[in-house]
Amino acid sequence: DQQVKQNSPSLSVQEGRISILNCDYTNSMFDYFLWYKKYPAEGPTFLISISSIKDKNEDGRFTVFLNKSAKHLSLHIVPSQPGDSAVYFCAASTTRGNEKLTFGTGTRLTIIP
Amino acid sequence: DVKVTQSSRYLVKRTGEKVFLECVQDMDHENMFWYRQDPGLGLRLIYFSYDVKMKEKGDIPEGYSVSREKKERFSLILESASTNQTSMYLCASSPTREKLFFGSGTQLSVL
Repeated sequence: DQQVKQNSPSLSVQEGRISILNCDYTNSMFDYFLWYKKYPAEGPTFLISISSIKDKNEDGRFTVFLNKSAKHLSLHIVPSQPGDSAVYFCAASTTRGNEKLTFGTGTRLTIIP
Repeated sequence: DVKVTQSSRYLVKRTGEKVFLECVQDMDHENMFWYRQDPGLGLRLIYFSYDVKMKEKGDIPEGYSVSREKKERFSLILESASTNQTSMYLCASSPTREKLFFGSGTQLSVL
């Protein structure tokens, strides 16, 4: 039972344009969400997070949006750069600081120069 | 910078062998985790530990065990390796249970 789903296995975006990565979840108890980025031959690295008390969190070129009623979150990257080409995983937990993370299946983002 | 070191980058083992995957972190983190990454399945949690000598099962613990005798070291053990355990294994540590710091991974092939 996949509680966190990333329905797009891959996405290609022109350099300078906006990249939008999507994530859906089924467990209404999830209240903290994170995005991780993974380059080949490296472990995932933390990118940005959002608590369920917010609907938006911004960090430089990266913004995460949370729609609790739709159980949907998205990561926006503006403007997209070649170095953003990587696999992106969304993850969720039930109680902040107290529970393990459940990861999605990942989306491979390719930025076209 | 936090450093999480996994002992091997690539490992090839035979079916039935006992396999040890070692992980060491240098930031005095309480929490350590073992995940496996498979195409189309994302990262799945095998075991985690909140303290020395403590361990908890993750989502897919079958066929695995773990050992945490010292705070900085978390070992994953495959008691009798099988071909369906061929995977990328990722170790992580964390001061909380959310912002994980991952090692570079061990690609294990079981023949």
